Amino acid sequence: DGGITQSPKYLFRKEGQNVTLSCEQNLNHDAMYWYRQDPGQGLRLIYYSQIVNDFQKGDIAEGYSVSREKKESFPLTVTSAQKNPTAFYLCASSIKVALNTGELFFGEGSRLTVL
Amino acid sequence: KQEVTQIPAALSVPEGENLVLNCSFTDSAIYNLQWFRQDPGKGLTSLLLIQSSQREQTSGRLNASLDKSSGRSTLYIAASQPGDSATYLCAVPSGYSSASKIIFGSGTRLSIRP
Repeated sequence: DGGITQSPKYLFRKEGQNVTLSCEQNLNHDAMYWYRQDPGQGLRLIYYSQIVNDFQKGDIAEGYSVSREKKESFPLTVTSAQKNPTAFYLCASSIKVALNTGELFFGEGSRLTVL
Repeated sequence: KQEVTQIPAALSVPEGENLVLNCSFTDSAIYNLQWFRQDPGKGLTSLLLIQSSQREQTSGRLNASLDKSSGRSTLYIAASQPGDSATYLCAVPSGYSSASKIIFGSGTRLSIRP
C-alpha cells in the first residue's frame, strides 16, 4: 500500500541529546513537509522540501535540521538547541505543483518527550 | 501573510444532527483548500480537497464549500454519528501555488453525543 511511514512512534530523549525522526514515503511525491503540533494548537511548519537536495525553512526551523538525499526520505533531526522539543511531529507529502491537485497526505506522527 | 481561523474551537451536538464547521482565511488568492480529520494521537486524514475553480466537493455525508471572495469555507456533516467525533482542520497554501507553504487552522474539536 502507498503511504507515509514515520518512525519511531514514541521517542524519549534526555536533555542535550540530538534525535532523528524518520519519514519515508512511497507515493512518488516530490514535496515533503515536517510539522509540529502542540496541545490545543494548530500545526506549525518546521521545514519543507520541494525537490531532492533542496529544502526551505518553515516558521519554526530553529533547533531543527533536515536532509533530502532521496526523493522518498526526509528525516528530521531535533537538536539540543531546540528549547522545548516535547511535541507531536507530523510528516506530510504532496505531488509537485502544475500537474496535480496538491493534496497533502500525512503519516501517523511521532511523539517526542524530553525527560 | 495567510492566516486561517476556525470557529468554534469545540462543538458538541447530539447524534443525528446536521452540522456545519467553519474555516476563514485572509488571502483569497489560493490554489486549493483542504479539510482534514484528526483522531487523538493520530496523523491527519484528508477528507476533501477543493480546487480554487470549484465551489464545492462531496464525499458521502460530507460536503465542503468554498467562497474565495469572502475568504470562507464550510464543512457540512449530515446525520452525524458518534464515529464522527474528532478534530477537523482546514488548510490552505500561503500563496497561489500548491507547492507553497500550507497553513493550517487550529481546528474544531467535534463531539457527537449518543
